[in-house]
Amino acid sequence: KNQVEQSPQSLIILEGKNCTLQCNYTVSPFSNLRWYKQDTGRGPVSLTIMTFSENTKSNGRYTATLDADTKQSSLHITASQLSDSASYICVVSPVWAAGNKLTFGGGTRVLVKP
Amino acid sequence: NAGVTQTPKFRVLKTGQSMTLLCAQDMNHEYMYWYRQDPGMGLRLIHYSVGEGTTAKGEVPDGYNVSRLKKQNFLLGLESAAPSQTSVYFCATLPDGRSNSPLHFGNGTRLTVT
Repeated sequence: KNQVEQSPQSLIILEGKNCTLQCNYTVSPFSNLRWYKQDTGRGPVSLTIMTFSENTKSNGRYTATLDADTKQSSLHITASQLSDSASYICVVSPVWAAGNKLTFGGGTRVLVKP
Repeated sequence: NAGVTQTPKFRVLKTGQSMTLLCAQDMNHEYMYWYRQDPGMGLRLIHYSVGEGTTAKGEVPDGYNVSRLKKQNFLLGLESAAPSQTSVYFCATLPDGRSNSPLHFGNGTRLTVT
């Protein structure tokens, strides 16, 4: 069964510090990997989408990396801000899928403290 | 543009009652999805539609029905609510079947079944 595991489940960081979130997946074959940000009480919003041939992609202070050989991805948040407090969800898509075959991780909840 | 709008935002039901959740989109997207999100778990697909007049089952369809009579609306029905259906429900859309498109989510409906 396709799985997406995220770690840690939650973390607390001080404003201005960096942090890295991990995503391990077993989805195969693999088309793309997405990171979403979900604020409390809101729907997820797309941060990055990487295909199997991409190693890194940035969106402002968010940088996602992908190692398709080890089936691992990370999301790095640089110089965290209070507004980065949210859940971050890793989503993996098989080759042949649209939205009906996406596999979602359980998310990492990030709390940024002043 | 409002994007994806879900109504209601909150609802409390008694066991056995029925209700319909509405998802409306103004982006002319073909594909629409209903997910549920439970604590500590990834989003799970309930039902989806690849165009007006079409519906299909997702990963956890039991106890739910859907309809897509108009392209812009996707309805999720609970005929006889059960406490296990207590969850946050998200609607999402895709413009088409290209797997690299980001999902566009609504802000969810929080449903409690007592």
